[in-house]
Amino acid sequence: DAGVIQSPRHEVTEMGQEVTLRCKLISGHNSLFWYRQTMMRGLELLIYFNNNVPIDDSGMPEDRFSAKMPNASFSTLKIQPSEPRDSAVYFCASSLSYLDGYTFGSGTRLTVV
Amino acid sequence: GNSVTQMEGPVTLSEEAFLTINCTYTATGYPSLFWYVQYPGEGLQLLLKATKADDKGSNKGFEATYRKETTSFHLEKGSVQVSDSAVYFCALRGGADGLTFGKGTHLIIQP
Repeated sequence: DAGVIQSPRHEVTEMGQEVTLRCKLISGHNSLFWYRQTMMRGLELLIYFNNNVPIDDSGMPEDRFSAKMPNASFSTLKIQPSEPRDSAVYFCASSLSYLDGYTFGSGTRLTVV
Repeated sequence: GNSVTQMEGPVTLSEEAFLTINCTYTATGYPSLFWYVQYPGEGLQLLLKATKADDKGSNKGFEATYRKETTSFHLEKGSVQVSDSAVYFCALRGGADGLTFGKGTHLIIQP
């Protein structure tokens, strides 16, 4: 099992550009979580899905952020337009059941200049 | 709602010292409890877990016991190594909700 796979690992973009982060879940996992990590705010849950359905998106900071899960194994997080304050490491994680923890991807380090 | 409180860091120890990182929680029902570790430049990795009261999770020399009476899940290791330097996160999960994380404790082990 290759684990949770995120791409790209690093992204540098200019303010105003669209950014798309990608995540491939572990096969058979039915929950998907997107987190953002910064020094100031630590780990923040942005949104999570159960069985491809968004359950809680209250952590999504603004309408500039959107997430989709077009199938059971893949998700995207899009920021349009991006701003310098969006610079952070974005993690996705998947889970099999509520008794289990998450398996995290290696993260995408986003820098918006 | 659910919450997790863990000791502030950084925690600096010498190699072979005894480690305790405190974690207490607030939750309804009977949550599962977890410790995660994050090495520099990497994602979080599950270190250990416990799913019911009095369970002890253990891995790589680390241990934590689920104490319902004190709502605690303290992380311990008898003899730390330089390679244990990382950020440690305590977390809980209740029902179908996502994990609730503590703010993390930065551990520095000096040779």
